[in-house]
Amino acid sequence: GIQVEQSPPDLILQEGANSTLRCNFSDSVNNLQWFHQNPWGQLINLFYIPSGTKQNGRLSATTVATERYSLLYISSSQTTDSGVYFCAVDYQGAQKLVFGQGTRLTINP
Amino acid sequence: DTAVSQTPKYLVTQMGNDKSIKCEQNLGHDTMYWYKQDSKKFLKIMFSYNNKELIINETVPNRFSPKSPDKAHLNLHINSLELGDSAVYFCASMRSGATQYFGPGTRLLVL
Repeated sequence: GIQVEQSPPDLILQEGANSTLRCNFSDSVNNLQWFHQNPWGQLINLFYIPSGTKQNGRLSATTVATERYSLLYISSSQTTDSGVYFCAVDYQGAQKLVFGQGTRLTINP
Repeated sequence: DTAVSQTPKYLVTQMGNDKSIKCEQNLGHDTMYWYKQDSKKFLKIMFSYNNKELIINETVPNRFSPKSPDKAHLNLHINSLELGDSAVYFCASMRSGATQYFGPGTRLLVL
């Protein structure tokens, strides 16, 4: 099956800093999603981005499908950005998401 | 107007008991899922239903039995609960080729 690797595993930053989270995957994908799991455990959809670039406020994402990676950018971090960020992919029409192990982001005031 | 809802949110029970978790989506999606998140935060699919038909059944013990009475509902019944079943269970739904939406999760603790 497909392998999904996220880096870094942990990231600790001060409020106001920028960050880049990476997701590498080992096969072609039909679907790629980024999620934020907040400290209360909710999984919040950030982006549906099998290819290209999208932006939503301080967050943006880029997926380079031919090179099998995706990046999530967070600018001007706030403490509410803390949590675990997951990348998940659907490949070969499997219609299921395979998750990476997540990046735990801690934003200190 | 919650898109994907689950009940209960918390479930604490004794080993050996049988319990059910319910999921409902009001998005009109055809496909619904159950995922399990373990204590290390790793998320893995368990089951998927499309229009009430089982299409994905990962290597899950047969103590776990999903049931879809209609395409808006997908329930998960667990027999003879074990300590290792303690986890957070997420329901999700999707329209083909689009975003998956997740419910709030059910935190199961088996004592």
